[in-house]
Amino acid sequence: KAGVTQTPRYLIKTRGQQVTLSCSPISGHRSVSWYQQTPGQGLQFLFEYFSETQRNKGNFPGRFSGRQFSNSRSEMNVSTLELGDSALYLCASNPGQGGYGYTFGSGTRLTVV
Amino acid sequence: TQLLEQSPQFLSIQEGENLTVYCNSSSVFSSLQWYRQEPGEGPVLLVTVVTGGEVKKLKRLTFQFGDARKDSSLHITAAQPGDTGLYLCAKLGAQKLVFGQGTRLTINP
Repeated sequence: KAGVTQTPRYLIKTRGQQVTLSCSPISGHRSVSWYQQTPGQGLQFLFEYFSETQRNKGNFPGRFSGRQFSNSRSEMNVSTLELGDSALYLCASNPGQGGYGYTFGSGTRLTVV
Repeated sequence: TQLLEQSPQFLSIQEGENLTVYCNSSSVFSSLQWYRQEPGEGPVLLVTVVTGGEVKKLKRLTFQFGDARKDSSLHITAAQPGDTGLYLCAKLGAQKLVFGQGTRLTINP
């Protein structure tokens, strides 16, 4: 069974630009959630999607947005990038029916310069 | 605001030693997970504990959930260099995980 695939693995962007990150969950999983990991704040929840609907959202500014497609693949977008957005962005796949099993991808390392 | 406090934040020990890391909360949680994360990778789920007082073993790792379901511990016996990594506890919430800050463990050969 293929794991969770995140692309790209590394990204360098300039302040003010926008970026789109992609996540393909495990086949059959309908829930995808996104996390930001930084040395100072640790792992922080961004949002969760199930069957193309956002069910929960963390405490991040509106510059952070996401969506989920009918095949369960998800994208997150960050607009008007700031230096503080530099982080490892992780997505997690879950069957979505109340199960405990979260499988994380390897993440996208975003550097904003 | 961190709802989960992990201690210690950093731990460096010699191969073969035993160690315990802790995860504490001021509030009760229904279930807790432990993850291990290696550099450049995402966290990997080690265990889920649900019942107060529960003890689960995974080879040389022993996980305990406190009776009051406000704390948990991870004990590693005879640590090996392959145990090196960031150990994270996480509380299961509504469609999300709330993580502690993690314990960065280094096992020296």
